[in-house]
Amino acid sequence: EPEVTQTPSHQVTQMGQEVILRCVPISNHLYFYWYRQILGQKVEFLVSFYNNEISEKSEIFDDQFSVERPDGSNFTLKIRSTKLEDSAMYFCASSHIFGGDYNEQFFGPGTRLTVL
Amino acid sequence: AQSVTQLDSHVSVSEGTPVLLRCNYSSSYSPSLFWYVQHPNKGLQLLLKYTSAATLVKGINGFEAEFKKSETSFHLTKPSAHMSDAAEYFCVVTYNQAGTALIFGKGTTLSVSS
Repeated sequence: EPEVTQTPSHQVTQMGQEVILRCVPISNHLYFYWYRQILGQKVEFLVSFYNNEISEKSEIFDDQFSVERPDGSNFTLKIRSTKLEDSAMYFCASSHIFGGDYNEQFFGPGTRLTVL
Repeated sequence: AQSVTQLDSHVSVSEGTPVLLRCNYSSSYSPSLFWYVQHPNKGLQLLLKYTSAATLVKGINGFEAEFKKSETSFHLTKPSAHMSDAAEYFCVVTYNQAGTALIFGKGTTLSVSS
């Protein structure tokens, strides 16, 4: 069964450093998403991406964040200058738009980002 | 605007007894509703979904949920809990439109004792 994959599973970085989190969505999906979950808190939407551009973003997704689909398979989240409060589990998800249930989003296992 | 309220942050049951996890939603439009489960150190797995078809929705592992528009509720139930059901459960609401954000509740931790 196709699934969303994410790498790395755990990333440790120093405050102020840039990090790139990588995701491979399900191959026939057209919408891609990033969510984050700070430890002990609920899952929060960051951004959705379609047709090579951002379709929706939350107030969390400020200028420090960017997303990119550099090739036909990868979907990345970049944080330019990490802060302590960026420490969280980051989930990638994807969905397709054809047929019923088209907003069912399939989640990857997550990348745990720790900023020291 | 949409929102989700999970009425219990923690539910404890004994193995073999029924499970009830409560969820109320607020939505200006006809919503899609989901329950996701997260086991420790694992990702989010879809348990079941409601997308304007049958109001009683059956999911995986014996879980089901009933959409009640008059009560704006989407409670998750299971007749008999199993030890492996111990996990975090999230009620989620969204517009039934591609690309829109999922809005998560704060989660309910289900503990199952033997």
